[in-house]
Amino acid sequence: KAGVTQTPRYLIKTRGQQVTLSCSPISGHRSVSWYQQTPGQGLQFLFEYFSETQRNKGNFPGRFSGRQFSNSRSEMNVSTLELGDSALYLCASSQGVLSYEQYFGPGTRLTVT
Amino acid sequence: QKEVEQNSGPLSVPEGAIASLNCTYSDRGSQSFFWYRQYSGKSPELIMFIYSNGDKEDGRFTAQLNKASQYVSLLIRDSQPSDSATYLCAVKRFSSGNQFYFGTGTSLTVIP
Repeated sequence: KAGVTQTPRYLIKTRGQQVTLSCSPISGHRSVSWYQQTPGQGLQFLFEYFSETQRNKGNFPGRFSGRQFSNSRSEMNVSTLELGDSALYLCASSQGVLSYEQYFGPGTRLTVT
Repeated sequence: QKEVEQNSGPLSVPEGAIASLNCTYSDRGSQSFFWYRQYSGKSPELIMFIYSNGDKEDGRFTAQLNKASQYVSLLIRDSQPSDSATYLCAVKRFSSGNQFYFGTGTSLTVIP
């Protein structure tokens, strides 16, 4: 069974631009969560989608948004990029809300200059 | 107070020794507890999870949970250099849906 895939793997953007990241969960998994990982803050929860609905949102500004499609693929968008948005963005999938296991994709490394 | 606290380390153990990693959590409503391993430049991979008080063993790994003390630990027996990584503790409570709360991780180095 294929794992979680994320595209692109690396991105370099300039301040003020916007970016869209994509995540395809493990086949059969309907829940997708997004995390931001930085050396200082560790893994921070962005949001979670299940069956195309956002179920949870972390403490991030409205510049961070996401969506999920009917095939469970998810995208997250960051508008008006800031230098502090440079991070590893990780997507994780699980079968459902009550699933114990959550599996991470390889991540997208975003650098904002 | 952070949801999940871990000693950042670094923790160094000789090859073949037992590595002990610890984690405390603040919310008594937390119901499931997870240990992830993250190699440098890679994404976290799930090692094991535990949700009942006591010990759970999987190969060289043992997770221990004490809900009264709000404490979770991971023991790695017969540590190998390939175990050198950052270990992340995470907790989940179903009242928060599928949201996982992560600690900042403990860096482990196994010395050959």
